[in-house]
Amino acid sequence: GESVGLHLPTLSVQEGDNSIINCAYSNSASDYFIWYKQESGKGPQFIIDIRSNMDKRQGQRVTVLLNKTVKHLSLQIAATQPGDSAVYFCAENSGGYQKVTFGIGTKLQVIP
Amino acid sequence: KAGVTQTPRYLIKTRGQQVTLSCSPISGHRSVSWYQQTPGQGLQFLFEYFSETQRNKGNFPGRFSGRQFSNSRSEMNVSTLELGDSALYLCASSSTGARGNEQFFGPGTRLTVL
Repeated sequence: GESVGLHLPTLSVQEGDNSIINCAYSNSASDYFIWYKQESGKGPQFIIDIRSNMDKRQGQRVTVLLNKTVKHLSLQIAATQPGDSAVYFCAENSGGYQKVTFGIGTKLQVIP
Repeated sequence: KAGVTQTPRYLIKTRGQQVTLSCSPISGHRSVSWYQQTPGQGLQFLFEYFSETQRNKGNFPGRFSGRQFSNSRSEMNVSTLELGDSALYLCASSSTGARGNEQFFGPGTRLTVL
């Protein structure tokens, strides 16, 4: 069936470097995507979202890029900090209302 | 403003039993969604409630059910528990539940089925 998946299960990054987390989606009808961060022992936390009529959106230290041609999106974190260590999920809101399909997740480890 | 709260935080049950989990959304939020999180399957959507009505449902068997009360608090129930039901159950609330409306997650209930 349709799913949202991630390329890399674990990503290790030096503190201060930029991080890039990738996500491939298979539902070509998807038109709204969200990135979440989940720290140990906590529920997911919204980071940034993007609609399919955009190809880039920036937040505070984060940027999401969407390539509809190859059904790929990425999350870029600038100047990665130890507090960024967490599991990151891309997600798709495929239908009306809050029916969100999540990817498996990528664990980001920041090396001090 | 208080966040989403879930009770209990941890639960141990045996196969065949049933369990009820509770979620209190952020004050003023009317949409409550439930998710199951496991290491192998990740986060999977269970169902979403708005104004005491189930609006969306994921691909889970009928053993998984839920309800929402007039104060927007929600419960989910799992009957005839199986080992594979061991998971972190997350609740999320949003103000209207419309797409694009940010969801706020609770810390989850960790269910272990023995």
